[in-house]
Amino acid sequence: AQSVTQPDIHITVSEGASLELRCNYSYGATPYLFWYVQSPGQGLQLLLKYFSGDTLVQGIKGFEAEFKRSQSSFNLRKPSVHWSDAAEYFCAVGALVGGGADGLTFGKGTHLIIQP
Amino acid sequence: GAVVSQHPSRVICKSGTSVKIECRSLDFQATTMFWYRQFPKQSLMLMATSNEGSKATYEQGVEKDKFLINHASLTLSTLTVTSAHPEDSSFYICSAAPGGAFTEAFFGQGTRLTVV
Repeated sequence: AQSVTQPDIHITVSEGASLELRCNYSYGATPYLFWYVQSPGQGLQLLLKYFSGDTLVQGIKGFEAEFKRSQSSFNLRKPSVHWSDAAEYFCAVGALVGGGADGLTFGKGTHLIIQP
Repeated sequence: GAVVSQHPSRVICKSGTSVKIECRSLDFQATTMFWYRQFPKQSLMLMATSNEGSKATYEQGVEKDKFLINHASLTLSTLTVTSAHPEDSSFYICSAAPGGAFTEAFFGQGTRLTVV
């Protein structure tokens, strides 16, 4: 069974500082990897995704993530955070089933706090 | 981008009554739709997967008689929480995936259900 681990429950970063959110996955085949952001009481917004090809993926809002197969990781990074980045971040892994999408397995999330 | 609309965004119901949540794909045909549940400050857990015209597939531990899922058309899936109890209070989120090659599933805004 697939699983996703986000080892950091909370992370506090000063505004303007760099950010890295960790994500490790366990899956038997090549995974499809996603990072989502969720503001309180809201749905999910896709930041970026990795299906294949270049292992460094660029997303929205200045985020990027790097797929490292050898480490089973898909860490999210941003060079300079803004106060509006404060939110809950979820890493997720999906699979291809019968040529179509399968339900996602989510990590427990990392709560990002931005200090002024 | 693809839009998934979920309705209602919030609902309060009395214990013992049933509540229906709708998930619509507005600008694409969704071969597959997924229903997730999120407890406060926790991750999303996949409840069930539905394919248009067939019975939903429920994850282990999810009561199919309590959480009725109907995917009658390529743009609409509904989740009915039957005989709701306070422990069913949660945030329910749907996602929809187009047919053909796997790309990604698009999420609705979520429904906050409170059972009193």
